[in-house]
Amino acid sequence: DVKVTQSSRYLVKRTGEKVFLECVQDMDHENMFWYRQDPGLGLRLIYFSYDVKMKEKGDIPEGYSVSREKKERFSLILESASTNQTSMYLCASSLARRQKETQYFGPGTRLLVL
Amino acid sequence: GESVGLHLPTLSVQEGDNSIINCAYSNSASDYFIWYKQESGKGPQFIIDIRSNMDKRQGQRVTVLLNKTVKHLSLQIAATQPGDSAVYFCAERKIQSGTYKYIFGTGTRLKVLA
Repeated sequence: DVKVTQSSRYLVKRTGEKVFLECVQDMDHENMFWYRQDPGLGLRLIYFSYDVKMKEKGDIPEGYSVSREKKERFSLILESASTNQTSMYLCASSLARRQKETQYFGPGTRLLVL
Repeated sequence: GESVGLHLPTLSVQEGDNSIINCAYSNSASDYFIWYKQESGKGPQFIIDIRSNMDKRQGQRVTVLLNKTVKHLSLQIAATQPGDSAVYFCAERKIQSGTYKYIFGTGTRLKVLA
């Protein structure tokens, strides 16, 4: 079974703090994604990566950055947290093969920025 | 604009009955669709997928139907059980700027009544 883990289930941070969210997958997937999930809005793509050291902006990259130093690990960074970044953050991974690109999700990190 | 939506935000079903959850999509070029289940406090869990060259696919107690003529996707759950209570949402995949992009619906909450 695919396993995607996220470093924290719940986080409380203060405005202006730098926040790191870590994601690790154990299935040798090439693709990794970071989404945020807010009520009534569905999942919105922040950043994704198709390979080590490679990153692409998603739909809402402002205020975020990412790092992919190893294939299994994809980190999301909030350089200076703001209250509007309070959300559920979901990491996902998938194979690069076109026919098998189903995304598998981690359990999520619920971030509260005060 | 393009959207993936759900017809009903909440669906209440008697235990043992069949459930049908609907999803409308607007991008006729989308080639792949996924249904996810998300339980409270957890990440989305893959249920079943279907490619655009199919109109029906069955899994264990679940069936996905795709009607490309009216751009409609449905998830049928047979003999609904209390453990099926969750939010269900669909996702469509399309090509944008040479890469695949997923668009996620906002979800339908399924409540199973004892």
